[in-house]
Amino acid sequence: AQTVTQSQPEMSVQEAETVTLSCTYDTSESDYYLFWYKQPPSRQMILVIRQEAYKQQNATENRFSVNFQKAAKSFSLKISDSQLGDAAMYFCAYRPFNDMRFGAGTRLTVKP
Amino acid sequence: DTGVSQNPRHKITKRGQNVTFRCDPISEHNRLYWYRQTLGQGPEFLTYFQNEAQLEKSRLLSDRFSAERPKGSFSTLEIQRTEQGDSAMYLCASPPEGGAGELFFGEGSRLTVL
Repeated sequence: AQTVTQSQPEMSVQEAETVTLSCTYDTSESDYYLFWYKQPPSRQMILVIRQEAYKQQNATENRFSVNFQKAAKSFSLKISDSQLGDAAMYFCAYRPFNDMRFGAGTRLTVKP
Repeated sequence: DTGVSQNPRHKITKRGQNVTFRCDPISEHNRLYWYRQTLGQGPEFLTYFQNEAQLEKSRLLSDRFSAERPKGSFSTLEIQRTEQGDSAMYLCASPPEGGAGELFFGEGSRLTVL
């Protein structure tokens, strides 16, 4: 069963604009972690931002912020002031205990 | 640099051959994970070690796959009698010191089975 769903296979944004990537997940757990990872072409996975489920406040890391809706099991990533270097595959991930489960990814293109 | 080192970075082999990948995790870290990533997909969990003990294995890990972590340090992932469907990126990950649930990934070992 699909645990993490990213419904946008591809997204495009103009440089300096804002884009939001969607993610939903399925769980019966009350405490868990959520993550967004970035994977540039032919390069390694890089952690962008994390959210602990027991924290109500949305996480923010510079230009990256999340909208965490626990009841709706939704965890979207907002990238503000998009830069050319933001172009990559973005993976949403959910971690209850041991293993981390990933969505299929969203390919983000940044247009100059 | 996440501190997780994998080699070889790329392996091309013929169907039926055996291959082995090595992962050197962040030093002195107890946990180590292996994932498989096929083209255009997110990583899929394969197995997980706590020190030298292999605690969890995915159904994806058929009997042709074996992973070890002797002495709780580096880990190896061996695939016997490779098949074309084994072609993928094999990722190793470990949690950073003082982290909050996240994993740091290595650059991966890409396997191409001809």
